[in-house]
Amino acid sequence: DQQVKQNSPSLSVQEGRISILNCDYTNSMFDYFLWYKKYPAEGPTFLISISSIKDKNEDGRFTVFLNKSAKHLSLHIVPSQPGDSAVYFCAASDSGNTGKLIFGQGTTLQVKP
Amino acid sequence: DTGVSQDPRHKITKRGQNVTFRCDPISEHNRLYWYRQTLGQGPEFLTYFQNEAQLEKSRLLSDRFSAERPKGSFSTLEIQRTEQGDSAMYLCASSPIQGPERVFGSGTQLSVL
Repeated sequence: DQQVKQNSPSLSVQEGRISILNCDYTNSMFDYFLWYKKYPAEGPTFLISISSIKDKNEDGRFTVFLNKSAKHLSLHIVPSQPGDSAVYFCAASDSGNTGKLIFGQGTTLQVKP
Repeated sequence: DTGVSQDPRHKITKRGQNVTFRCDPISEHNRLYWYRQTLGQGPEFLTYFQNEAQLEKSRLLSDRFSAERPKGSFSTLEIQRTEQGDSAMYLCASSPIQGPERVFGSGTQLSVL
């Protein structure tokens, strides 16, 4: 039962353009969403998050949008840089069950110079 | 305290052997989590501790898996009678009690031959 889904395994964009990574979820109890970035041979590192009471959160080049009615969120990176090339994981949590953070399968982003 | 530390980084073992991994969390974090990640998938939650109490262990993959955090500081994850299917990256993370954000270690890559 995949509660958090990232349907695009990979994405390739040109340096300077926008990268859009998508994530869908099924559990309506999720009320906090996070994006993590992972380089090879390293653990995931936190990138940005959003609470379900908001529909947008911005941090520098990174913006996360949340559409609760569609159970969909997206991460926008503008402008994309070659150093952004990594695997991006969407994750969700239910504040009533705070032990578990449920991850999607990940999307590999390649930013070409 | 520079982050979450995991040891060893890599472990190669023969099928049937027991292995133990160690995680040292960020010292002021009360919660400690174990995840497993296989190729092409996101981290999969296994278990978590709040101080020394193991609050969730239903996701441990079988009775061959066990975790301890005896003094509420470091934790160990043991896999008994390893199988080839146990080959994966085992990630440890920690967090304060409040908030869903986790800080991950670099993981232990297990290869069972």
